[in-house]
Amino acid sequence: SQTIHQWPATLVQPVGSPLSLECTVEGTSNPNLYWYRQAAGRGLQLLFYSVGIGQISSEVPQNLSASRPQDRQFILSSKKLLLSDSGFYLCAWSVMTGELFFGEGSRLTVL
Amino acid sequence: KQEVTQIPAALSVPEGENLVLNCSFTDSAIYNLQWFRQDPGKGLTSLLLIQSSQREQTSGRLNASLDKSSGRSTLYIAASQPGDSATYLCAPFSPNDYKLSFGAGTTVTVRA
Repeated sequence: SQTIHQWPATLVQPVGSPLSLECTVEGTSNPNLYWYRQAAGRGLQLLFYSVGIGQISSEVPQNLSASRPQDRQFILSSKKLLLSDSGFYLCAWSVMTGELFFGEGSRLTVL
Repeated sequence: KQEVTQIPAALSVPEGENLVLNCSFTDSAIYNLQWFRQDPGKGLTSLLLIQSSQREQTSGRLNASLDKSSGRSTLYIAASQPGDSATYLCAPFSPNDYKLSFGAGTTVTVRA
């Protein structure tokens, strides 16, 4: 069966520090991969999605970036975090236009 | 751009009552629609997926209907239990841009 792993689960980072969140999917090939952010008390915002290795689409301008170095690996990064980057980050996967499955999330607090 | 609205924003009911959660979306050109559950501080759990050609989908005490032409979906939860307390989100999938658009959710509290 398919599983999705996301880490770290929680992190506290100072303003201006770098960020790396990682997500891997097991049990499937060539999934579509997504990064969402959920700010406190707000809805889910799509940040990036990828339909294949090296193919990244960005939904909103920001100081975050995403990479897909392997078929089932999706990484969210920042060179310098801002206070506004705080939130709950969720990785998700699907195959073509099928059902979307989410990881457990990474809670980021920028101080 | 797809806009998704969920009504009500919050709902509190006594145990055993049936729940009706509403979702409306502006662009009817969807491929499917998914209902999720989110517990506080947790990720999203998929509850039901309805394809655009379907009218409804059922899983246990959950039933979701879809009226694509009018841009509406409804999630019914029968005989609610305290364990059903969570936030429920609907998300239509748009084939034009390969993404789900989320509503703000309905937060449900079932009182024992």
